[in-house]
Amino acid sequence: EAGVTQSPTHLIKTRGQQATLRCSPISGHTSVYWYQQALGLGLQFLLWYDEGEERNRGNFPPRFSGRQFPNYSSELNVNALELEDSALYLCASSLRQGTGELFFGEGSRLTVL
Amino acid sequence: AQSVTQPDIHITVSEGASLELRCNYSYGATPYLFWYVQSPGQGLQLLLKYFSGDTLVQGIKGFEAEFKRSQSSFNLRKPSVHWSDAAEYFCAVGDYGGATNKLIFGTGTLLAVQP
Repeated sequence: EAGVTQSPTHLIKTRGQQATLRCSPISGHTSVYWYQQALGLGLQFLLWYDEGEERNRGNFPPRFSGRQFPNYSSELNVNALELEDSALYLCASSLRQGTGELFFGEGSRLTVL
Repeated sequence: AQSVTQPDIHITVSEGASLELRCNYSYGATPYLFWYVQSPGQGLQLLLKYFSGDTLVQGIKGFEAEFKRSQSSFNLRKPSVHWSDAAEYFCAVGDYGGATNKLIFGTGTLLAVQP
């Protein structure tokens, strides 16, 4: 069974540009989560999608947005990139009414120059 | 608000020595607790989880953790560390209910293993 897959693995952008990151959940999982892992800051919750809807978001500005598609895959968009957006972005999936365990992908590393 | 504290940012142990990584949580109800491990350049892998029942839980790779409600702790242990255990370890608490459904992570403990 395929795990959570993310693309691209690495992405380099300059300040002010936009970045799009993609995530495919484990088959059968309807919930997708995005976390930001910046150096020294641990994992910060960004967004939770379930059944195509944004259910909850963390304390991030509106330029962080995303969506979930009918096949439950998801994309994260970061507009007007700033240097401090450089981080590893981790996607996770779970069953909506499951045990709460999240299954993580290997992440997309975004570097903003 | 729910939170997780991992007091040790960095720990070094000798191969073969025992290990204990500390985790304290703040949560109003019965917590759902997790330990994840992240190897360099990798995503997070679940080591073990506690939902209810026996307070000593066994996980993968020989790890175990003990839930102590009186101390609001969920410390991770391993009797004998292997060099391959060098990684970053994250404790997390589940934050569920209403519109919320996420894990809140601690800041992690980086484990180094010396020969």
